[in-house]
Amino acid sequence: KQEVTQIPAALSVPEGENLVLNCSFTDSAIYNLQWFRQDPGKGLTSLLLIQSSQREQTSGRLNASLDKSSGRSTLYIAASQPGDSATYLCAVGINTGADGLTFGKGTHLIIQP
Amino acid sequence: NAGVMQNPRHLVRRRGQEARLRCSPMKGHSHVYWYRQLPEEGLKFMVYLQKENIIDESGMPKERFSAEFPKEGPSILRIQQVVRGDSAAYFCASSQTGVAEAFFGQGTRLTVV
Repeated sequence: KQEVTQIPAALSVPEGENLVLNCSFTDSAIYNLQWFRQDPGKGLTSLLLIQSSQREQTSGRLNASLDKSSGRSTLYIAASQPGDSATYLCAVGINTGADGLTFGKGTHLIIQP
Repeated sequence: NAGVMQNPRHLVRRRGQEARLRCSPMKGHSHVYWYRQLPEEGLKFMVYLQKENIIDESGMPKERFSAEFPKEGPSILRIQQVVRGDSAAYFCASSQTGVAEAFFGQGTRLTVV
């Protein structure tokens, strides 16, 4: 059974810092990995999707890497801003879509102004 | 493109009543997933549907829960005889294929009193 773990569970840093969020998964037979952001009481916003054949994806100040063999992904946020404060969720897709996505519990990020 | 639309956003039901949650996928998406998010827990996959077919319902409780995605109209998640433990946020996601990027709705927050 696939399990996804995110470390740290919570993180508070001053504005402007670069930071790294970690995600690990137990079964490397994934189809893709997706990073989301969730604001309190809101839905999920897709940030980056990495297919299993890819090593990384970039969007603006965000960069996500994938090491499938070791079961790890990182989300790098450059020059953090207070507006980046949210919960960041990592999810892996397996089995060509059936079973849906398996989510970690998230990293609750606070960027201090 | 209006994105994934869920309604209602908030739903209050008394124990024993029925809850109906609706999800309209993004235009052009024929794959729909339902997830449940319990307080302090991660999102858990419930069911995966394509038009008129249930592909995988392994995450959905066998009793009282059902889902459909008819040829016309939104996908419906139906919970009969609700109990307090059903209180949660229910999210719908859609994608073009089973392994494509998943887009989530804003969720329906069900409260059972």
